[in-house]
Amino acid sequence: GNSVTQMEGPVTLSEEAFLTINCTYTATGYPSLFWYVQYPGEGLQLLLKATKADDKGSNKGFEATYRKETTSFHLEKGSVQVSDSAVYFCALSPGNNRLAFGKGNQVVVIP
Amino acid sequence: DGGITQSPKYLFRKEGQNVTLSCEQNLNHDAMYWYRQDPGQGLRLIYYSQIVNDFQKGDIAEGYSVSREKKESFPLTVTSAQKNPTAFYLCASSNRDRGANSPLHFGNGTRLTVT
Repeated sequence: GNSVTQMEGPVTLSEEAFLTINCTYTATGYPSLFWYVQYPGEGLQLLLKATKADDKGSNKGFEATYRKETTSFHLEKGSVQVSDSAVYFCALSPGNNRLAFGKGNQVVVIP
Repeated sequence: DGGITQSPKYLFRKEGQNVTLSCEQNLNHDAMYWYRQDPGQGLRLIYYSQIVNDFQKGDIAEGYSVSREKKESFPLTVTSAQKNPTAFYLCASSNRDRGANSPLHFGNGTRLTVT
């Protein structure tokens, strides 16, 4: 079946540090891949997406590259800010409108 | 502005009572979804609807019911049969015609507490 695995546990880092959140997936066919962000007390917002192998999605300084050979879609940002503190979800869409989500990673950025 | 409205933001009920959560969208999207979010478990799909008057069970439909009488509206009823109803409920919609490339648009959620 289709599934997404995110690294365990929250991520705590200092302002201006480099952020990486790992995401690997299992899917049949060629899914689209997404990163969503959830700020406290809110719903999820689309952060970026990639629809085919080697595509790079980017937004607000965040980037992720669709790697078919390693079935990964790791999220990176070169210099985080306190305002980036949120929960980040990796997701895949196999084409039937039923997205599969990872469990999410809480990111806490300390001033 | 187009978007998804969920109401109320907080809801409290006694055990044994049914409760209905509202979800309205003005994005003209065909597809709508209900997810449940619990700490450390990510999002789990309860029900989804790809078109008016049609809906399908998701991964955790037991104890829930939905209706889709209008394109804009997709209310979720949490029945007394749901064993652990306390959770954060998220409604979403998407443009079905764009297929796998279509991202979900989410409401701001309803936090339901049952005591």
